Amino acid sequence: DQQVKQNSPSLSVQEGRISILNCDYTNSMFDYFLWYKKYPAEGPTFLISISSIKDKNEDGRFTVFLNKSAKHLSLHIVPSQPGDSAVYFCAARGGGADGLTFGKGTHLIIQP
Amino acid sequence: GAGVSQTPSNKVTEKGKYVELRCDPISGHTALYWYRQSLGQGPEFLIYFQGTGAADDSGLPNDRFFAVRPEGSVSTLKIQRTERGDSAVYLCASSRTRDSYNEQFFGPGTRLTVL
Repeated sequence: DQQVKQNSPSLSVQEGRISILNCDYTNSMFDYFLWYKKYPAEGPTFLISISSIKDKNEDGRFTVFLNKSAKHLSLHIVPSQPGDSAVYFCAARGGGADGLTFGKGTHLIIQP
Repeated sequence: GAGVSQTPSNKVTEKGKYVELRCDPISGHTALYWYRQSLGQGPEFLIYFQGTGAADDSGLPNDRFFAVRPEGSVSTLKIQRTERGDSAVYLCASSRTRDSYNEQFFGPGTRLTVL
């Protein structure tokens, strides 16, 4: 069973607009959440994270929101740029495992 | 400085053969992780090393999979009697310590194809 779910396989956004990527989780023991960005033929690279004791973390154009009661987090990118086109993975830490638990990813396409 | 490197970048083998995949972590990183990414899926945790010891191998799918890290640096993932279902990209990641949640650096992966 998928403990971290990204229900949108792909998302297309116009350059300059806001991109919103969503992620849901089921394991209430997760205590840390991360977003990774992945280009083809490369490994995932860390983007931004949030502890379960916070509800928002911002870093430049990237903001992550956490709603613990809904077990939902989202990544906002504003303004979206062509270089943001990539696959974005939501990941969670905790729940009894030492490694990260990843979602299936969302392919973000920024259109000019 | 150098990032995490993995060799080979691609490996094609026949069903039933034995393969070894190598990971060179960032120098000084004590924590090392192996993940497997199948087509259309996110990375799936396999095993975690803290120093030389496998602290958590709960993600290894069966006893055909084994990993070592004898000197606390380079790690080798070993797969015996490969099956077509083992075809995937195998990713290695390292971090300075286990608690460096947002400092897990990934290598480019080894694409394994079992014919």
